[in-house]
Amino acid sequence: KQEVTQIPAALSVPEGENLVLNCSFTDSAIYNLQWFRQDPGKGLTSLLLIQSSQREQTSGRLNASLDKSSGRSTLYIAASQPGDSATYLCAGGHRGMRFGAGTRLTVKP
Amino acid sequence: SAVISQKPSRDICQRGTSLTIQCQVDSQVTMMFWYRQQPGQSLTLIATANQGSEATYESGFVIDKFPISRPNLTFSTLTVSNMSPEDSSIYLCSVSLTGNNSPLHFGNGTRLTVT
Repeated sequence: KQEVTQIPAALSVPEGENLVLNCSFTDSAIYNLQWFRQDPGKGLTSLLLIQSSQREQTSGRLNASLDKSSGRSTLYIAASQPGDSATYLCAGGHRGMRFGAGTRLTVKP
Repeated sequence: SAVISQKPSRDICQRGTSLTIQCQVDSQVTMMFWYRQQPGQSLTLIATANQGSEATYESGFVIDKFPISRPNLTFSTLTVSNMSPEDSSIYLCSVSLTGNNSPLHFGNGTRLTVT
């Protein structure tokens, strides 16, 4: 059974800092690794999807990498802004994605 | 992407009753899933809704408690049966448009409170 772990559980940084969120998974036989953002009381917004044959994906200030052999993915956020404050979730698997517990990010002005 | 509509968006129910949540997608999708997000928690997969056949449930979830229907490629329902306060959660419908290599998209969820 796929298990997904995210560290740190919470992170507080000053505006402008570059940061890395970590995600690890136990079953390397995943089809996809997907990163989401969730704002308080809101639904999930998909940020990036990395297919199993890919190593990374980029969207604006976000870059996600995938290393299946080590069971790890990272989400890199460049030049963080207060609007980036949210909970970031990673999910991986096949025929149903399993979610990590999330990293709660606070970017202070 | 797809537009995913869930009804109701929220409800307050008495223990012992049942609630059926509907999920409607604006296009045909390959896979549909139901998730639960308990207060302060992450998402837990309940089951995969299979078109025209019984849903595939994850460990800890059973058909008697969470019956699921999926009569076609655009619609699914999840029923939460014989509810207790522990069932208070957000229930989310999720779809994958074209199968295993396509991203998951989520509806806005149904916020259920059981009193």
